[in-house]
Amino acid sequence: KQEVTQIPAALSVPEGENLVLNCSFTDSAIYNLQWFRQDPGKGLTSLLLIQSSQREQTSGRLNASLDKSSGRSTLYIAASQPGDSATYLCAVLTDKLIFGTGTRLQVFP
Amino acid sequence: EPEVTQTPSHQVTQMGQEVILRCVPISNHLYFYWYRQILGQKVEFLVSFYNNEISEKSEIFDDQFSVERPDGSNFTLKIRSTKLEDSAMYFCASSLEQGFPLGAEAFFGQGTRLTVV
Repeated sequence: KQEVTQIPAALSVPEGENLVLNCSFTDSAIYNLQWFRQDPGKGLTSLLLIQSSQREQTSGRLNASLDKSSGRSTLYIAASQPGDSATYLCAVLTDKLIFGTGTRLQVFP
Repeated sequence: EPEVTQTPSHQVTQMGQEVILRCVPISNHLYFYWYRQILGQKVEFLVSFYNNEISEKSEIFDDQFSVERPDGSNFTLKIRSTKLEDSAMYFCASSLEQGFPLGAEAFFGQGTRLTVV
């Protein structure tokens, strides 16, 4: 059974820091991995999608990497801003999306 | 940009009542999903739907739940007799295709917050 875990569960940093959020999954037989952002009480906004054949994807200050064989993905946020404060979720696609536990990020001025 | 829309954004219902949550997936998508998130917990898979039938459902999706695609645009989740523990945010999602050789991106709606009192 696929399990997706995210570390750390919560993170509080000053503005400007570069951040690394971690995601691990137990079964490497995935089609892709998506990173989402969720603001409190709100929906899921897709940030990045990495296909199983890819190693990384970049969008602006965000960079996500995937090491399928070791069951790991990282989301790198460069020069963090208070507006980045949210919960970040990773999800792997097998026959359905399976979500991780989330990392709650707070960036303070 | 195409998006998945869900209505209502918030619904309050009494225990034992039936509720229908509505979703309009992206028009050319083929796969449809419902997920739920109980406050403070993980996003959980409920059901996937393809070619007018359920392709997979979780153990959460018991006989109280049903899904339907009544026309070419809507995708609904019905809970027949709501319980307090059904209170959650319910998300609809759609994607173009799934599986080998490429997994398609899933697009999520903004969710319906269901409160059962």
